[in-house]
Amino acid sequence: DAGVTQSPTHLIKTRGQQVTLRCSPKSGHDTVSWYQQALGQGPQFIFQYYEEEERQRGNFPDRFSGHQFPNYSSELNVNALLLGDSALYLCASSRRGVAEAFFGQGTRLTVV
Amino acid sequence: QQQVKQSPQSLIVQKGGISIINCAYENTAFDYFPWYQQFPGKGPALLIAIRPDVSEKKEGRFTISFNKSAKQFSLHIMDSQPGDSATYFCAASTRERGTYKYIFGTGTRLKVLA
Repeated sequence: DAGVTQSPTHLIKTRGQQVTLRCSPKSGHDTVSWYQQALGQGPQFIFQYYEEEERQRGNFPDRFSGHQFPNYSSELNVNALLLGDSALYLCASSRRGVAEAFFGQGTRLTVV
Repeated sequence: QQQVKQSPQSLIVQKGGISIINCAYENTAFDYFPWYQQFPGKGPALLIAIRPDVSEKKEGRFTISFNKSAKQFSLHIMDSQPGDSATYFCAASTRERGTYKYIFGTGTRLKVLA
């Protein structure tokens, strides 16, 4: 049983560009959450998707957007990249109504 | 009120010793408290979690102690091993609109000396 898988593992982008990160949840899970983890910090909640809709959102600008597909996989899009967007982006999956969440290995985004 | 405060920032323990990491929260609506272990370049892995109706939970060498009145909880790693060297994060969560989101602490970097 595959766990949470994220792609790509590493990415380098130029300031001002746009990026799309992808996540496939653990089998049997229908809820996907995205977190940003800056170096040396704890993960910060970006937003969460269930039934293809954004259910909760953290304190992130509209440059951060997402999507969930009918197969429960999800994308995180970031527009107009800033140097400060450099971080490890983590996807977590869970079952709706269940607190336990499992994280993927993350995508390391570097903005230059 | 949404913060989770974690201490210490770093910890060095001898092999076989006990590692203790502490967290405190303010929001009494939190009702799920997991601990995650993260190795460099990897995503966080769920170690153990507790609900506030339980004062202690033990899984192998890992124990969570929970003090609801003080709004504090801690992770104890018994017989610490060099393979336990990693960053540990506490988190707190509550159900909102049918789903849970996590508020994480700032992390504790643990080094276990052989």
